[in-house]
Amino acid sequence: AQTVTQSQPEMSVQEAETVTLSCTYDTSESNYYLFWYKQPPSRQMILVIRQEAYKQQNATENRFSVNFQKAAKSFSLKISDSQLGDTAMYFCAFMKHGGGATNKLIFGTGTLLAVQP
Amino acid sequence: KAGVTQTPRYLIKTRGQQVTLSCSPISGHRSVSWYQQTPGQGLQFLFEYFSETQRNKGNFPGRFSGRQFSNSRSEMNVSTLELGDSALYLCASSMQGLTEAFFGQGTRLTVV
Repeated sequence: AQTVTQSQPEMSVQEAETVTLSCTYDTSESNYYLFWYKQPPSRQMILVIRQEAYKQQNATENRFSVNFQKAAKSFSLKISDSQLGDTAMYFCAFMKHGGGATNKLIFGTGTLLAVQP
Repeated sequence: KAGVTQTPRYLIKTRGQQVTLSCSPISGHRSVSWYQQTPGQGLQFLFEYFSETQRNKGNFPGRFSGRQFSNSRSEMNVSTLELGDSALYLCASSMQGLTEAFFGQGTRLTVV
């Protein structure tokens, strides 16, 4: 079975600064996707960034980038130039891919990020 | 393009009752997944439907059931409600072959 661990329940960062959220996972699968989702107070879950396990290059989406270490099973999210609107709960998630896989996401427990003005 | 729509947004039920939640996916999306979110257990996968067939099921009791209609709209039903069923229920839709799941705003169920 796959597990996803987020060891930082809460984090705080000053506006315009950089913050890194940690995520580790455990799986015996070789083909999978990893995601970071953001859930603001509105409760709507929004995809921040996606990483395919077979790609060595780290994914980047504007101010958001990941550090994907496949051997270490680590998948951290870096937010640069933090903005007040980044305040939210951030979830790391795993999805098996291929071989009859479905769209089942396995989530970590989340990290509550507060961006301070 | 309309997003994922969940109804109702809020619901209060009494122990022992049953409840039905609805999810309308994004047009063209045939996969609908349901998740339960609670402070204690976090986000847990309930089940996934694709083309009216349940494709995957999480570790929940049989009181939790679902179905999907030919227009891809999905419903989940919880019978004999317990206090522990109080949660935010999230629905996500996906297009076949793509991994991005689009979530609705959820239904907040409170069991009293």
